[in-house]
Amino acid sequence: GESVGLHLPTLSVQEGDNSIINCAYSNSASDYFIWYKQESGKGPQFIIDIRSNMDKRQGQRVTVLLNKTVKHLSLQIAATQPGDSAVYFCAENKEGQGGSEKLVFGKGTKLTVNP
Amino acid sequence: ETGVTQTPRHLVMGMTNKKSLKCEQHLGHNAMYWYKQSAKKPLELMFVYNFKEQTENNSVPSRFSPECPNSSHLFLHLHTLQPEDSALYLCASSQEPHAGLVLKSTGELFFGEGSRLTVL
Repeated sequence: GESVGLHLPTLSVQEGDNSIINCAYSNSASDYFIWYKQESGKGPQFIIDIRSNMDKRQGQRVTVLLNKTVKHLSLQIAATQPGDSAVYFCAENKEGQGGSEKLVFGKGTKLTVNP
Repeated sequence: ETGVTQTPRHLVMGMTNKKSLKCEQHLGHNAMYWYKQSAKKPLELMFVYNFKEQTENNSVPSRFSPECPNSSHLFLHLHTLQPEDSALYLCASSQEPHAGLVLKSTGELFFGEGSRLTVL
């Protein structure tokens, strides 16, 4: 089965607040993780990634934290804006067929930003 | 605009029909993917092509038949589908560092907006 999952299916925040979206994974051998954002009617869009040799990585208003001890990944969004409303997916790079790699996605968390 | 264009955006078909989904990428990438997105389920990888060679077939039923004539175009031929095949079908592309059959993904996929398929 899938080794990547989400703690909460929905998250509602007020505009301007910080958002934290969580993800759990079960494969301790996973070494690369990605967050994607999917707005309504659109395909997923890459946000940020992190490798297992890092604990934290920052982008523009977003931070990804990786806790390998408890196999937990989180996405923090600072000063959440209405445009951040979307479904957020975590994904990990796993070995596929013939030595290739493939992305395995979690179920997603729907973030709603209230004005 | 992601550089990945999918047509049609919406498709309704009966179980005996034959139809095709088309994907075109304008990014110069060398790998292309089909994903299936159903309600309340994770994105499911269906097929992967790297340099026009199929590198992944994720146990997809034979009623789905992919075709990759070149690195810029990807098709998904559909025939005798079932109602449970109704879903959003997403195409994606990426630039892979290695040619040949072994695909080492950088993780950054560029997705199209999807083709919403309804099977009656």
